[in-house]
Amino acid sequence: DVKVTQSSRYLVKRTGEKVFLECVQDMDHENMFWYRQDPGLGLRLIYFSYDVKMKEKGDIPEGYSVSREKKERFSLILESASTNQTSMYLCASSLSPSGRKGNTIYFGEGSWLTVV
Amino acid sequence: EDQVTQSPEALRLQEGESSSLNCSYTVSGLRGLFWYRQDPGKGPEFLFTLYSAGEEKEKERLKATLTKKESFLHITAPKPEDSATYLCAVQAGGNRDDKIIFGKGTRLHILP
Repeated sequence: DVKVTQSSRYLVKRTGEKVFLECVQDMDHENMFWYRQDPGLGLRLIYFSYDVKMKEKGDIPEGYSVSREKKERFSLILESASTNQTSMYLCASSLSPSGRKGNTIYFGEGSWLTVV
Repeated sequence: EDQVTQSPEALRLQEGESSSLNCSYTVSGLRGLFWYRQDPGKGPEFLFTLYSAGEEKEKERLKATLTKKESFLHITAPKPEDSATYLCAVQAGGNRDDKIIFGKGTRLHILP
């Protein structure tokens, strides 16, 4: 079974703090993703990475950065947390596509971040 | 513009009452359509991947089908434990970046 593990399920941070959300996958997947999920807005892509040390901006990268030093680990960083970053954060991973077929994205359990 | 629309937004059924959830998509070059189940407070759990029109997949009381414009998730004789939000996602071809487009989901509630 694919396993995507997010290090923290629940966090409460103060405005202005630097926040690290860690994610590890055990299936040797090339691609890793960070999404946030908010009621009524669905899943929105923050950043993704298709290889070690590579990163691409998603739809809502402002206020976030990422780090991928090892293939299995993808970190999301909030440089200075703000209250509008209170949300559920989901890490995901997938293999790179082969031929015309896409590959399934597998999700972690999610990290609930509250910024006060 | 690539788009994924799920309907209905919410659905309440009696236990045993079969129904279908719809996922309509407009993308260029479908590479895959994915169904997920999401319980409150948890990450989406993978259910099915469909690649081409006419393809069908089944798992317990769930059956997913795919046409060139939409996918259906049929639920047969549902039980209360099938209550969840069901998400549809589509991966479009031609891009290096492997991003996929998610629908907003259908909240399914099965009454005992």
